[in-house]
Parts: sequence; structure tokens; C-alpha cells
Amino acid sequence: ELKVEQNPLFLSMQEGKNYTIYCNYSTTSDRLYWYRQDPGKSLESLFVLLSNGAVKQEGRLMASLDTKARLSTLHITAAVHDLSATYFCAVDMTSGTYKYIFGTGTRLKVLA
Amino acid sequence: DTGVSQNPRHKITKRGQNVTFRCDPISEHNRLYWYRQTLGQGPEFLTYFQNEAQLEKSRLLSDRFSAERPKGSFSTLEIQRTEQGDSAMYLCASSTNFGTGGVRGYTFGSGTRLTVV
Repeated sequence: ELKVEQNPLFLSMQEGKNYTIYCNYSTTSDRLYWYRQDPGKSLESLFVLLSNGAVKQEGRLMASLDTKARLSTLHITAAVHDLSATYFCAVDMTSGTYKYIFGTGTRLKVLA
Repeated sequence: DTGVSQNPRHKITKRGQNVTFRCDPISEHNRLYWYRQTLGQGPEFLTYFQNEAQLEKSRLLSDRFSAERPKGSFSTLEIQRTEQGDSAMYLCASSTNFGTGGVRGYTFGSGTRLTVV
């Protein structure tokens, strides 16, 4: 059974600092997704990583995928308050259903 | 492209009542998914449609739950005899027919928040 784990679960950081969120998964997959969720809201797609070594960047966020290590990272550069949200990674089961297995989420709070 | 639309946004119901939620996917998307998200957790897969065919159901989907997608367009999720444990956000997502949904993956709707009292 595919399991997806994120760490840390909670992250409180000062504005201007850098930090990395980690997403580990237990079985082979070469497709991984990052979503952002604001309180009480739905999920907003951030990045789609479709191959080993894929790196995507948008603003202060950069995501990468290492399929051999079964690891994805979401790096935050010079955090700002607006980045406060919960971040989820999700792995594609690639079984034909293309259902996603989501991680536990990382709740990020950026302090001014 | 108006996105994925879900109705209602919020539903409060008494235990034992039946509720039905609706999802209108992006028109050109053949795949439709239902997920459930409880507080502090990631979304969990419930069921999946390819056009009008329901191809997979999670063990989370007990006999009280039923989903349909007539004519491969909108979908409904019905919960019969609701229980307090059914309180959650129910999310609908859709995607294209190409692999993982192409470069965008899923598009999620805003969700229906169910509270069973």
C-alpha cells in the first residue's frame, strides 16, 4: 500500500528565512504533485512533477523530484506572510485510475 | 473554462438524514474523482469515474454512500442515514483523459463542507 509522508507537519518561520518541506513515498511512482490549501478552502495546484530530476519554480517556491530516492522537496526562499497555508504533496498511483494518495500536509505559518 | 463547481458549499444535517452533493466538472474532462477531507488531514480517495462508468471505489465508501455520473457529465454523491463521522469536506476533482491529467493534474472544486449534528 502506498504511503506518503511529509515533514515537518508544522512549520513556523520568520519572514525572509529559507526552509524545505520533504515528501517521502513508499512505492515506485514518477509523478508527484504539490498543492496549497488555505483554511476552509479547496486545493490549489502548485507544481506537477512528471519525471525523475524534474524541478519547477514559481516565485519563492521551488519543487523537485527524485524518483530513485522516492523523495520530493518544496523549498521556500525568503518566506513572506502570504505563503502561510497548508501544503500537500500527492503521488499518482499510476495504476490506470490515476488516483492520488495525499501526504499528511505541512502547515506553514510565516511570522512577520 | 469555469472550473469545477460544487454545490452546496455548506450543508448542516441531522444525524440519520440523507444528503446529496453535486459536482460539475470542467466540460472537456472525462475523469471525475471524489475525495473526503477531515480536519487536519490530507484528502482521501473515495471514488472515480471515467465518463459515466464508476471504475473504482474506496473501502471508505460504505454502503451508505453512492455516487453517480449520468451521461458522463455532472456527478452526485449521496450519503444515506448520515452519521457524525461523516462530517468532513467532500471534494470533487476532474482531469483530462491524458495520463495524469496532463501538465495540470487534477482541478479541484471548492468542496462541500458537511456537518452532521
